[in-house]
Amino acid sequence: DGGITQSPKYLFRKEGQNVTLSCEQNLNHDAMYWYRQDPGQGLRLIYYSQIVNDFQKGDIAEGYSVSREKKESFPLTVTSAQKNPTAFYLCASSTPRTEMGGYTFGSGTRLTVV
Amino acid sequence: AQSVTQLGSHVSVSEGALVLLRCNYSSSVPPYLFWYVQYPNQGLQLLLKYTTGATLVKGINGFEAEFKKSETSFHLTKPSAHMSDAAEYFCAVKDRGTSYGKLTFGQGTILTVHP
Repeated sequence: DGGITQSPKYLFRKEGQNVTLSCEQNLNHDAMYWYRQDPGQGLRLIYYSQIVNDFQKGDIAEGYSVSREKKESFPLTVTSAQKNPTAFYLCASSTPRTEMGGYTFGSGTRLTVV
Repeated sequence: AQSVTQLGSHVSVSEGALVLLRCNYSSSVPPYLFWYVQYPNQGLQLLLKYTTGATLVKGINGFEAEFKKSETSFHLTKPSAHMSDAAEYFCAVKDRGTSYGKLTFGQGTILTVHP
């Protein structure tokens, strides 16, 4: 079945470390997105990419980096510059053919700083 | 910029009672409107959407929502709550006329269903 796979499901990071969250889709969608979810704050957009080798900052990009070397993959790196990285991270994808249908979401990665 | 307001961060209902989750958007041009549901530690699942046409939209699991332009609202309802409806619900909007418009989400409403 087509879908979005996020890994790992749970991730623990020590202070000062960079960590990379994986997001892979086999839906042949052009656009991919990373959202951060904190209790009571809804979902906030970190980065998005509409095409391979191109991406744009969202509302809260500081302390994060991304790459889009393949259409299927959009990994997110949480750097040591992100002061409060503990959160639930969601990856999503879309395509113009499904734009009116919203996004398809992965099952998320919960990152905890220890 | 678009904004979405969900009134009530927590809603509690009895099993069998009406569910009403409120959503208001800010733009003068009606956007595309969505409701998503999220179960603990999972991603978001689309419940229903409004793009054009009939203003009463039916979705999965017995939910429906009505687009009211004059009130800039898109409230979610279900006539009779089930225990399995307990989850967090998000209203989201996207500007019309864009190929890759960004979804803007409300703060979320946690629905509790008690016996």
